Amino acid sequence: AQSVTQLGSHVSVSEGALVLLRCNYSSSVPPYLFWYVQYPNQGLQLLLKYTSAATLVKGINGFEAEFKKSETSFHLTKPSAHMSDAAEYFCAVSDYGGATNKLIFGTGTLLAVQP
Amino acid sequence: DTAVSQTPKYLVTQMGNDKSIKCEQNLGHDTMYWYKQDSKKFLKIMFSYNNKELIINETVPNRFSPKSPDKAHLNLHINSLELGDSAVYFCASSLNRDRVSHFGAGTRLSVL
Repeated sequence: AQSVTQLGSHVSVSEGALVLLRCNYSSSVPPYLFWYVQYPNQGLQLLLKYTSAATLVKGINGFEAEFKKSETSFHLTKPSAHMSDAAEYFCAVSDYGGATNKLIFGTGTLLAVQP
Repeated sequence: DTAVSQTPKYLVTQMGNDKSIKCEQNLGHDTMYWYKQDSKKFLKIMFSYNNKELIINETVPNRFSPKSPDKAHLNLHINSLELGDSAVYFCASSLNRDRVSHFGAGTRLSVL
């Protein structure tokens, strides 16, 4: 069975500091991995996706993630945090069953950005 | 030109009532989903439909009945609402070969 684990339910950084949100996956097949962001009282917005092409994936809002098979990781980073980055971040793996594409989510990481 | 739209955005109701949430997507996707997000923000899939056919039913109580009248719509009807049904329900859609799911803004259901 596929799963993802997000280490750290809360992460706090200062504005301008590096953002690092951790995600490890478990999958018996080459995984398709995603990061979604949820702003307060809003839906989920796709930040970026890994679909077995380049291992370094660039997303929106300056975020990027690196797929490391040897570490079964897909950590999300951003060089310099902005106040507007404060949100809940979800890592997810695609459980593809032919006719449908079920997402299995991690438990989320709440990012706080301090001025 | 909202891609995945859900109505209503908020739903407050009494225990034992029956309610419905509607979802529509204008992306031309062939697969639609319902996810439940609990009070701890944990997201879990409930149902998936592909071309109006039920594909996934993740051990959801049979008080929950999804209906897909066509590829662009997936509604969720809930009978005999319970306190534990209080959550945010997200509709999503995807194109089968793409694997990227697009989510609606969610429906916050509060059962009193």
